Amino acid sequence: DVKVTQSSRYLVKRTGEKVFLECVQDMDHENMFWYRQDPGLGLRLIYFSYDVKMKEKGDIPEGYSVSREKKERFSLILESASTNQTSMYLCASSLSLAGEQFFGPGTRLTVL
Amino acid sequence: DQQVKQNSPSLSVQEGRISILNCDYTNSMFDYFLWYKKYPAEGPTFLISISSIKDKNEDGRFTVFLNKSAKHLSLHIVPSQPGDSAVYFCAASANTNAGKSTFGDGTTLTVKP
Repeated sequence: DVKVTQSSRYLVKRTGEKVFLECVQDMDHENMFWYRQDPGLGLRLIYFSYDVKMKEKGDIPEGYSVSREKKERFSLILESASTNQTSMYLCASSLSLAGEQFFGPGTRLTVL
Repeated sequence: DQQVKQNSPSLSVQEGRISILNCDYTNSMFDYFLWYKKYPAEGPTFLISISSIKDKNEDGRFTVFLNKSAKHLSLHIVPSQPGDSAVYFCAASANTNAGKSTFGDGTTLTVKP
């Protein structure tokens, strides 16, 4: 059974804190993605990676960075969390960039 | 500029009837389209896809129709079941866009028993 796991389901952080969101996939997929989901705004792509150590900005990369040191792991980093980064964060992986994506369960991040 | 639009935020249908979810796109380079379903507190799951070389793809109760000239696709669910109640996202991709998918805002479907 293919799986994408995210390190936390719920996370509460304070403004200014550095936040790490971890994502691991067991499907040997080349491509991994980070999205945020907000009411009425759908899924917005933050960053994606098509290979180890490779990353590309998505539609809303400001305030975020990513790390992909191993094929199976893709981390999203909030260098200094702000209240407008309170959101649901979804990680996904896929065999091809355009193809079906497999999503993790999401991390609901609240920044106070 | 939103390239993939789902203009209906919500849809309510009676169990057993047809559900039709719509999606419009503006980028004529999009050549592959996907639908995902999302339950609360879970990640989206892939439902069905269609390539631009086809105008229809069917999988059980789910059928996706593509009208390239109108830049419109629709997902039909027949018959609708209460378990189909979820948020449905339309996504589109193009080889020239590094292939990654662009998602719509989603439509919340409620199927009433």
